[in-house]
Amino acid sequence: AQTVTQSQPEMSVQEAETVTLSCTYDTSESDYYLFWYKQPPSRQMILVIRQEAYKQQNATENRFSVNFQKAAKSFSLKISDSQLGDAAMYFCAYRSEEGSARQLTFGSGTQLTVLP
Amino acid sequence: NAGVTQTPKFRVLKTGQSMTLLCAQDMNHEYMYWYRQDPGMGLRLIHYSVGEGTTAKGEVPDGYNVSRLKKQNFLLGLESAAPSQTSVYFCASSPYGVAFRNEQFFGPGTRLTVL
Repeated sequence: AQTVTQSQPEMSVQEAETVTLSCTYDTSESDYYLFWYKQPPSRQMILVIRQEAYKQQNATENRFSVNFQKAAKSFSLKISDSQLGDAAMYFCAYRSEEGSARQLTFGSGTQLTVLP
Repeated sequence: NAGVTQTPKFRVLKTGQSMTLLCAQDMNHEYMYWYRQDPGMGLRLIHYSVGEGTTAKGEVPDGYNVSRLKKQNFLLGLESAAPSQTSVYFCASSPYGVAFRNEQFFGPGTRLTVL
């Protein structure tokens, strides 16, 4: 079974600064997707960014980018020019492409605080 | 499109009571999922369905049952609620195939408290 580990329960960043959230995962599979989800106080799960394992190029979405190290099984999220609205719980998630379920396996989350 | 909706948004039960949580999606998705979220933990899969009339167990299925009689609906049942089932429950859906790059769409969640 796959596992996802987020070793930083809490992080804080000054507004306009850059912060990196860490995520590692364990799998024996070669075909999978990785995701970062944001959960603000409203509880809604919002997809931030995704990465296909077979793509070497790191995904970017505006101020959000990832550092995907497949051999090291590491998938960190970098938020540039942090804004107050970025404050939320962030979850790293893994999705296998080798079974029928295609469910997400989540890490325990990192609570991000943005300081004005 | 409403996306994924969940009913109810909040519920308080007494130990031993039963209830059903309803998830509905209007995106014609094949896959549907029920997750639970507990403090300090990520979402964990309870049950899932890969199509109408099919269901399967996830990581934490004990104490729950599900049904998918219609493609757009996925019901989660608690036959005899226990305090350990106090949690926030999320439903999600996903299309089959690569067209949508495997994104799962989440409902707003249901906060359930069992006293």
